[in-house]
Amino acid sequence: EDQVTQSPEALRLQEGESSSLNCSYTVSGLRGLFWYRQDPGKGPEFLFTLYSAGEEKEKERLKATLTKKESFLHITAPKPEDSATYLCAVVVRGGGNKLTFGTGTQLKVEL
Amino acid sequence: DAGVIQSPRHEVTEMGQEVTLRCKPISGHDYLFWYRQTMMRGLELLIYFNNNVPIDDSGMPEDRFSAKMPNASFSTLKIQPSEPRDSAVYFCASSFDSQETQYFGPGTRLLVL
Repeated sequence: EDQVTQSPEALRLQEGESSSLNCSYTVSGLRGLFWYRQDPGKGPEFLFTLYSAGEEKEKERLKATLTKKESFLHITAPKPEDSATYLCAVVVRGGGNKLTFGTGTQLKVEL
Repeated sequence: DAGVIQSPRHEVTEMGQEVTLRCKPISGHDYLFWYRQTMMRGLELLIYFNNNVPIDDSGMPEDRFSAKMPNASFSTLKIQPSEPRDSAVYFCASSFDSQETQYFGPGTRLLVL
């Protein structure tokens, strides 16, 4: 069975304190890995898609990387507005367009 | 573009009542997905459609749940009869055929008393 595990469950950072969120996956054949951001009371908002090991994507203070077993979401010099839940999801070969989500990392950035 | 539109945004009902959730996907998207999100189980796929045809409904919890997509711009998720354990946030998402990125609506927060 395809599994996606995110860690830590929750993370509290001071503004400017860089860190990384982890998404490890066990799947039959990865077709793509997705990162979403979810604010309270809202739907997940798409951030990145990664398709192959070694691939990296960047957007403002966020950088996502992918290996054959896991993905990292690096947050550089975070600001309070980066506070949200970050979700990782995978699409597998032969799985249609079905996304399997991890349970997320709840990030809080404090002043 | 208006994005994925869901209605109602909040629904409070009593056990045994029928609940209908509605979704309008992004224009031109030919995949539509229904998800349920709870604290215990996170975000789970219930069913998805391609070109209005249900492709995978293996996530639908039981016969009380049904989903339809009568045309490319409208889908419903119905729960009949509703139970307190159905309380959750229900999301609709859509995507374009050749791209797997799914775009989510704002969700419907359902509370069954």
